[in-house]
Amino acid sequence: AQSVTQLGSHVSVSEGALVLLRCNYSSSVPPYLFWYVQYPNQGLQLLLKYTSAATLVKGINGFEAEFKKSETSFHLTKPSAHMSDAAEYFCAVSDANTGNQFYFGTGTSLTVIP
Amino acid sequence: DAGITQSPRHKVTETGTPVTLRCHQTENHRYMYWYRQDPGHGLRLIHYSYGVKDTDKGEVSDGYSVSRSKTEDFLLTLESATSSQTSVYFCAISPDNGGSPLHFGNGTRLTVT
Repeated sequence: AQSVTQLGSHVSVSEGALVLLRCNYSSSVPPYLFWYVQYPNQGLQLLLKYTSAATLVKGINGFEAEFKKSETSFHLTKPSAHMSDAAEYFCAVSDANTGNQFYFGTGTSLTVIP
Repeated sequence: DAGITQSPRHKVTETGTPVTLRCHQTENHRYMYWYRQDPGHGLRLIHYSYGVKDTDKGEVSDGYSVSRSKTEDFLLTLESATSSQTSVYFCAISPDNGGSPLHFGNGTRLTVT
């Protein structure tokens, strides 16, 4: 069965500091991997996706993620945090074995300290 | 939000009453999904549809039913609402099941008293 683990339900960083949000997945076949962001009272917005092309994926708002098969990880990073990055972040996985159904992690709430 | 409208945005209902939530899309996407979001659980799939009148269960389908009579509309019904169904419900759409991302509506906050 597919699963996604996001380490750290709450992460705090100072404005201008590196953002690192961790995601590990389990999948028996090559996965599709996604990061979504959710602002208060809104739906989820796609930040970036990995679909077996380049292992380093660049997304919107300066975020990027690296697919590491050996570590079954897809961590999200941003070199310099902005106040506007404060939100909830979700990692998701899907693959052909699950009919491409999506499985989401439990989310990481990012706080940016001025 | 990729042409997705959920209605209502907020609803308060009493235990035992039926409730229907509506998802309407203007993207002509084949796949539509209903998720619920609860603290500590992330998003969990309730039901999904892969075409008109074609639906299937997700991981938390008990107590819910769905219908899709038109490409653009996907209805989620709680036949007899319970307090455990208090949640935020999200509709999502996708053009295919081959790695395309989901696009989400803004959600419906349902409170069952």
